[in-house]
Amino acid sequence: NAGVTQTPKFRILKIGQSMTLQCTQDMNHNYMYWYRQDPGMGLKLIYYSVGAGITDKGEVPNGYNVSRSTTEDFPLRLELAAPSQTSVYFCASSSPEQGSHEQYFGPGTRLTVT
Amino acid sequence: QQQVKQSPQSLIVQKGGISIINCAYENTAFDYFPWYQQFPGKGPALLIAIRPDVSEKKEGRFTISFNKSAKQFSLHIMDSQPGDSATYFCAASKGDSSYKLIFGSGTRLLVRP
Repeated sequence: NAGVTQTPKFRILKIGQSMTLQCTQDMNHNYMYWYRQDPGMGLKLIYYSVGAGITDKGEVPNGYNVSRSTTEDFPLRLELAAPSQTSVYFCASSSPEQGSHEQYFGPGTRLTVT
Repeated sequence: QQQVKQSPQSLIVQKGGISIINCAYENTAFDYFPWYQQFPGKGPALLIAIRPDVSEKKEGRFTISFNKSAKQFSLHIMDSQPGDSATYFCAASKGDSSYKLIFGSGTRLLVRP
């Protein structure tokens, strides 16, 4: 199992550009999450999904959009990138309906907006 | 009410010493308290977790102590090793259908040889 994979690893965007961060998991987990990690601030939840076709906002959703058309994939879309979106983005998945709350994290995407 | 406050921000410990990281929360609806470990350039990984019906959980050199009345929990790393040098995050989750985690701000631990 590859677990949770994220692409790209690094990206530099200009202000106003758009991009999609990809996240795929091969563990058949229903629950998936997107976090951003800023220095000294911990991880903040952007969006989450409890299954294909179902998404909901987290703590910091502004400037982002998500979709969940399959169990495996949970892409995060940035529209009109701003310097405040410079961060490291982590995708995670879990399967609490199987009795485990553990969230499995991907390796992250480091995004710089200039 | 949604915050989890973590201290210290950074910690330096000699090899063989005890590392202690503390977290406090306000929301009494939280019912799951994990600790995650993150190495540079990697995603966080679950280290150990506890539920509020027990006061302590030990896994190897790692122990969570939980004080429900004080709304505090802490991670103790016994016999700290240089390989334990990482950033540690506490987190909390409410018993709702989202299983969302609220993370603390992290503690950067350096264990000196």
